[in-house]
Amino acid sequence: EADIYQTPRYLVIGTGKKITLECSQTMGHDKMYWYQQDPGMELHLIHYSYGVNSTEKGDLSSESTVSRIRTEHFPLTLESARPSHTSQYLCASSEYAGDATDTQYFGPGTRLTVL
Amino acid sequence: GDSVTQMEGPVTLSEEAFLTINCTYTATGYPSLFWYVQYPGEGLQLLLKATKADDKGSNKGFEATYRKETTSFHLEKGSVQVSDSAVYFCALKTPGGYQKVTFGTGTKLQVIP
Repeated sequence: EADIYQTPRYLVIGTGKKITLECSQTMGHDKMYWYQQDPGMELHLIHYSYGVNSTEKGDLSSESTVSRIRTEHFPLTLESARPSHTSQYLCASSEYAGDATDTQYFGPGTRLTVL
Repeated sequence: GDSVTQMEGPVTLSEEAFLTINCTYTATGYPSLFWYVQYPGEGLQLLLKATKADDKGSNKGFEATYRKETTSFHLEKGSVQVSDSAVYFCALKTPGGYQKVTFGTGTKLQVIP
């Protein structure tokens, strides 16, 4: 079983609010990722990190920001939430194995609704 | 660039029916191939994987064979159960770089009693 946690699981918030979605993993993985999952189920990579103090933008442009101050923690922040940010956000981590065989472990997700 | 194409859903089957979900890919180099499953209200979890041509991944009665000649990795199960109802994602990862995973768009499976 993977040990990766996301809080909150569900969040309903008003437009303009600042929010932080938490993601933590206890596996000591170097790599962490944030995906946005649309209602059609498709996954879009929005941020990733190789390790502490490393963050990169993913394939889908996002107004969110991330930080990686500790190996186990990879929070995602929206400074001013808008209805277009309504989505499911999935956090994942993986251990660098030097090739293509390592597995990504996913958290349960945060379903965000912005009114 | 890399891409994964999987059959559109939803797929609706009766319990004990045979399941096939098609997946084909385009990639540079020699990717590893994965099937992930997402149960309602949960994140994705690895179902099975194969790392080289002709490898067969299997788990929980599901299996898929890495076919390099047809660039395919179709998911099969001989007898589905209601508890298999979920969304299934085919994915690939190529070596090097930051090991980006390319996911398919997902196929929703509904199994009815």
